[in-house]
Amino acid sequence: KAGVTQTPRYLIKTRGQQVTLSCSPISGHRSVSWYQQTPGQGLQFLFEYFSETQRNKGNFPGRFSGRQFSNSRSEMNVSTLELGDSALYLCASSEPNNSPLHFGNGTRLTVT
Amino acid sequence: DAKTTQPNSMESNEEEPVHLPCNHSTISGTDYIHWYRQLPSQGPEYVIHGLTSNVNNRMASLAIAEDRKSSTLILHRATLRDAAVYYCILRDVGITSGTYKYIFGTGTRLKVLA
Repeated sequence: KAGVTQTPRYLIKTRGQQVTLSCSPISGHRSVSWYQQTPGQGLQFLFEYFSETQRNKGNFPGRFSGRQFSNSRSEMNVSTLELGDSALYLCASSEPNNSPLHFGNGTRLTVT
Repeated sequence: DAKTTQPNSMESNEEEPVHLPCNHSTISGTDYIHWYRQLPSQGPEYVIHGLTSNVNNRMASLAIAEDRKSSTLILHRATLRDAAVYYCILRDVGITSGTYKYIFGTGTRLKVLA
């Protein structure tokens, strides 16, 4: 099976812009979750989707949003970008319940 | 929310066992303990998980304290390829909502010396 695919791998944006990141889960996985990784804060949970519904959300401002499509692919959007949004954004997919997470290699976002 | 704490870094000699500790003193009865590791420029990779009993797989062993307030990931023979950041994660199945929360530890950077 192909792994979790995230696009693009690298992105440079300026403050105030918005950005959309994409994640294609492993075939058959219906749960997709998103994480922000920074040197200072480490790995932080953003949100999780299952069958097109957001099931849980981390402590991030409303500028961070996401969605999941019927084929389980997911997108996350960050509006009004700030310098502090520069980070590695990771997506993971899994089967339901307590199955292991399978991570993609992330999208590195740089905000200038 | 339950939190985990891990040492920032550890060193091991190649071919020797490594014990990576994780404290989760506020763990709840529904929290599973997961371990992942992350190599440079890659996403985290699943290593092992458990609830109450010790667990073994081809990569590692997980020893869980009887009170579940701590756990230890054991790499039986460290190799240079095991050099990575190891994360201890609690996955909580919300009793009322049925949703999951993913709570990450700070991670331990393991250095393996040749």
